[in-house]
Amino acid sequence: DQQVKQNSPSLSVQEGRISILNCDYTNSMFDYFLWYKKYPAEGPTFLISISSIKDKNEDGRFTVFLNKSAKHLSLHIVPSQPGDSAVYFCAASPRDQFYFGTGTSLTVIP
Amino acid sequence: NAGVMQNPRHLVRRRGQEARLRCSPMKGHSHVYWYRQLPEEGLKFMVYLQKENIIDESGMPKERFSAEFPKEGPSILRIQQVVRGDSAAYFCASSPERRNSYNEQFFGPGTRLTVL
Repeated sequence: DQQVKQNSPSLSVQEGRISILNCDYTNSMFDYFLWYKKYPAEGPTFLISISSIKDKNEDGRFTVFLNKSAKHLSLHIVPSQPGDSAVYFCAASPRDQFYFGTGTSLTVIP
Repeated sequence: NAGVMQNPRHLVRRRGQEARLRCSPMKGHSHVYWYRQLPEEGLKFMVYLQKENIIDESGMPKERFSAEFPKEGPSILRIQQVVRGDSAAYFCASSPERRNSYNEQFFGPGTRLTVL
């Protein structure tokens, strides 16, 4: 039972353009959402988070948007850089336990 | 400040053997989480522990898997009588003493278990 879904397994974007990664969830009890970035052979690294009381959180080139009514969040990376190429996982939490999506592999083409 | 440490990084076992995976959380962190990533899948929660306590093991298979986080030493994920389907990357994460409702989790590099 996948409570957090990332329907795009891969995404390719030209360097300098915007990358938009999407994530949907099913459990309305989730109130904290995170994005993690993962390089091969490494553990996931925390990127950015948002609580359900907000609809937007920005940190440098990274912005996360939350649409609670649609149970949808997205990560925007602008401008995209080749070093952003990695697998991105969204995660949702009702408190301490995180539910992860299956990941989207982003390739930024120089 | 060292990050989350996991060892071994790679572990090869034959069917029927035992696998022991170790996780040392970040300094000052008392919450440990274990996740499993099967090929082509996302991270699946297995178990959440605090020192000497299992808080949530709802993601643990009912048989052959166990976890502990003793007062001293690392957290251990133990898999008895491994089968080929146990081959996966096992990630440990830690978070600090809870000060508010939300804590990001810091992940270790993972242990890749291969069962022959």
